[in-house]
Amino acid sequence: RKEVEQDPGPFNVPEGATVAFNCTYSNSASQSFFWYRQDCRKEPKLLMSVYSSGNEDGRFTAQLNRASQYISLLIRDSKLSDSATYLCVVRKSNYQLIWGAGTKLIIKP
Amino acid sequence: NAGVTQTPKFQVLKTGQSMTLQCAQDMNHEYMSWYRQDPGMGLRLIHYSVGAGITDQGEVPNGYNVSRSTTEDFPLRLLSAAPSQTSVYFCASSYSWTVMNTEAFFGQGTRLTVV
Repeated sequence: RKEVEQDPGPFNVPEGATVAFNCTYSNSASQSFFWYRQDCRKEPKLLMSVYSSGNEDGRFTAQLNRASQYISLLIRDSKLSDSATYLCVVRKSNYQLIWGAGTKLIIKP
Repeated sequence: NAGVTQTPKFQVLKTGQSMTLQCAQDMNHEYMSWYRQDPGMGLRLIHYSVGAGITDQGEVPNGYNVSRSTTEDFPLRLLSAAPSQTSVYFCASSYSWTVMNTEAFFGQGTRLTVV
């Protein structure tokens, strides 16, 4: 079993819709959590950290459920520019980040 | 702001050849790392460094060496290239591992093909 699992998609979503991704992790001792965005043939870039109380950044909301060991990302009022692959990342205590394989999102006009 | 500079962007090697992927950052970051990214898989950690003179193995270190003689530079050396090392390689740096939510900044990647 992978340490961090994501639905690979693709999610095909009309512009303006709301879309949600989930990510599950297996190590209950994981320290912190992130969502990164990766455009096609580009490097990953931080979208947002995920805090225990949940956090919001504009149209993006991230939530953490430690008891069930999953992280979610909600995108509201989706834009064409949101089309990308979204990577779930978990920090372990041994100086390592563990990356999910990513969920591909395609926003259609 | 150069950030993380990674070279080359593309490389084709023959089986058995060696090469060095260069990575440099100008942000005075303590933590640097190398990943490989393969289709359908998450980024996998090859080697990492928490500071100059300190390196350690990640998840997939076999066939790769690293060194960290300065804070800025963290080259990755392929000892004897194999087709299984065909991948996209990313170098990343972070301010410090001691900062819980420290952001990882990536180079633009190297697309390596081993024939």
